[in-house]
Amino acid sequence: KQEVTQIPAALSVPEGENLVLNCSFTDSAIYNLQWFRQDPGKGLTSLLLIQSSQREQTSGRLNASLDKSSGRSTLYIAASQPGDSATYLCAVATNNLFFGTGTRLTVIP
Amino acid sequence: GAGVSQTPSNKVTEKGKYVELRCDPISGHTALYWYRQSLGQGPEFLIYFQGTGAADDSGLPNDRFFAVRPEGSVSTLKIQRTERGDSAVYLCASSSPTGELFFGEGSRLTVL
Repeated sequence: KQEVTQIPAALSVPEGENLVLNCSFTDSAIYNLQWFRQDPGKGLTSLLLIQSSQREQTSGRLNASLDKSSGRSTLYIAASQPGDSATYLCAVATNNLFFGTGTRLTVIP
Repeated sequence: GAGVSQTPSNKVTEKGKYVELRCDPISGHTALYWYRQSLGQGPEFLIYFQGTGAADDSGLPNDRFFAVRPEGSVSTLKIQRTERGDSAVYLCASSSPTGELFFGEGSRLTVL
């Protein structure tokens, strides 16, 4: 069974900093990897989807990379803002979609 | 609708009662997923539909849980003889042809 790990579990940074969130997975035979954002008491919002044939995807201040062979993905957030504060989850698609437990990000004004 | 819709948004019930949670996916999405999320945890897979059939129901915790999608659109998650441990947020998602998942806001179930 696919296991997905996200490190760190929580992260606090001052506004304006660039930061990296990490996601690792045990089974490299994936179809795609997706990063989500979740605000307290809300559902998940899709941020970026990387297909297995791709190495990275970018959307605005967000950049996600994928290294299938090492079982890793990173989400890079540039020039962080207080509005970026949320929990960030990665999900890996094999025969099913498996989630990590998330990284809770706090951006301090 | 434009997004995935889940009803009710909140449900409080007593131990032993029967509960139904509804999910209306994005129009045209053939794949539909149910997940359960407890506080501080990532979503836990329950069941996945492709069209009308359950393609993978390996995440259903026991036979008190059942889900249907009779016409390949709206899905209902049914929980019989609810227990306090069933309290969680139940999330539904539908998948675009590229595999991107879109989630609803969830149904928060509290079993007293």
